[in-house]
Amino acid sequence: NAGVTQTPKFQVLKTGQSMTLQCAQDMNHEYMSWYRQDPGMGLRLIHYSVGAGITDQGEVPNGYNVSRSTTEDFPLRLLSAAPSQTSVYFCAGSPRRGETQYFGPGTRLLVL
Amino acid sequence: SQELEQSPQSLIVQEGKNLTINCTSSKTLYGLYWYKQKYGEGLIFLMMLQKGGEEKSHEKITAKLDEKKQQSSLHITASQPSHAGIYLCGADNTGTYKYIFGTGTRLKVLA
Repeated sequence: NAGVTQTPKFQVLKTGQSMTLQCAQDMNHEYMSWYRQDPGMGLRLIHYSVGAGITDQGEVPNGYNVSRSTTEDFPLRLLSAAPSQTSVYFCAGSPRRGETQYFGPGTRLLVL
Repeated sequence: SQELEQSPQSLIVQEGKNLTINCTSSKTLYGLYWYKQKYGEGLIFLMMLQKGGEEKSHEKITAKLDEKKQQSSLHITASQPSHAGIYLCGADNTGTYKYIFGTGTRLKVLA
């Protein structure tokens, strides 16, 4: 099992561009989530999903969209990138909500 | 809303020394997770604590959750350079399944 995978590893965008960060898991995780990590701010929850077709907002959802059409995939879309979205993004999966989360390797995003 | 505060923010110790990292919650903890993050990499799960008074160990790392379930400590015995990294505590925000994290403790171990 590959666990939780994320692509790309690095990305540079110009302000106003859109893009999708990919997250996939092959461990049948019911719960999946997206975080951003910024210096001095720790990890902040963007969106999460408790199952296919079910998503909800986290602490910092503005400027991001998610969907969960399958159990395996949980992409994060940046609608119109802004410099404030420069960050490291982590996807995580958990067998069920309330259980341990397992993190992907992260995507470093720079918005110019 | 619930917040997690970690202390210290950073720590430099000599190899072989013991150290403790604390994580204090503003509300009762429903589940407390400890992770380690190497610089520039993802988070590695260390331990999960749920019950007040619970203590778990893995190799030279021991984590405890106090009886009132509002504070956890992570203790490393006889530290090694391989223990260096960022240690983060995380929790299920008052049972909402919206996880929160502390800002992390940066540990450096001098050989």
